[in-house]
Amino acid sequence: KAGVTQTPRYLIKTRGQQVTLSCSPISGHRSVSWYQQTPGQGLQFLFEYFSETQRNKGNFPGRFSGRQFSNSRSEMNVSTLELGDSALYLCASSLGGTVGEKLFFGSGTQLSVL
Amino acid sequence: GESVGLHLPTLSVQEGDNSIINCAYSNSASDYFIWYKQESGKGPQFIIDIRSNMDKRQGQRVTVLLNKTVKHLSLQIAATQPGDSAVYFCAERGGTASKLTFGTGTRLQVTL
Repeated sequence: KAGVTQTPRYLIKTRGQQVTLSCSPISGHRSVSWYQQTPGQGLQFLFEYFSETQRNKGNFPGRFSGRQFSNSRSEMNVSTLELGDSALYLCASSLGGTVGEKLFFGSGTQLSVL
Repeated sequence: GESVGLHLPTLSVQEGDNSIINCAYSNSASDYFIWYKQESGKGPQFIIDIRSNMDKRQGQRVTVLLNKTVKHLSLQIAATQPGDSAVYFCAERGGTASKLTFGTGTRLQVTL
C-alpha cells in the first residue's frame, strides 16, 4: 500500500506570494492533518480534515487554509507569504474514526520564502 | 497552556545497549500517547502508541511505559542499532476530540 504522498517536495517562493501544497493520503484513510515543522517551534498543528470537513484547527493566522476533496486528497494554501513561513510542511493521514490516532506522515514539502 | 516536553535534547548510546528516551507531559486529561521517529529528510515514522488506560505496551524491540501519576512517558529501545539514530518525538492527545501535540524531540546518536 502506498504511503502518504506530498507534492511538491521543495518550493521556493518570495514574500507576498501564495502557495498551494498537495497531499494524497494512504488509500482508505479519510482524515488528513497538516503540521508545520521548524527548528525553533517543532511540530505545530495547522488543521485536520475528515470527510471534507475541518474537524480541528490550530493557532495559525487566516493566511493558512486548507481543504479536502471527496477522494480524501487535501491541499493547504498559504497566502501573502512571510519569511517566517519557511518550514517543512507535513501531511499525515489516518483512518479517521478517532481524532489524532495513528497518524502516518508523508515526507513533507520544504518551503523556503525569500 | 498545556505542553509536552522532553528532558534530554541528545542521547548518545553505544550499539547493542538499551536506550531510554523520556517525555514529560502536563495535561492530566491526555488519553492517548504516541512515539515517532524522524530521520533526516523524512517525515515522522510511527513507532508505537499507548492509551491512558494502559501502563505498558511492547512492540518489536520497543516498549512504551506510561506513568500517569507523575505524567511521564518513556520509550525503551532494546539492543540499539545504528539505524535507530534519529530524532524521537512523543506526542499526546488531550482528550478524544483533540489534536496531537508534539514534544520538542530527542536526538538519539548510536555509536559503534
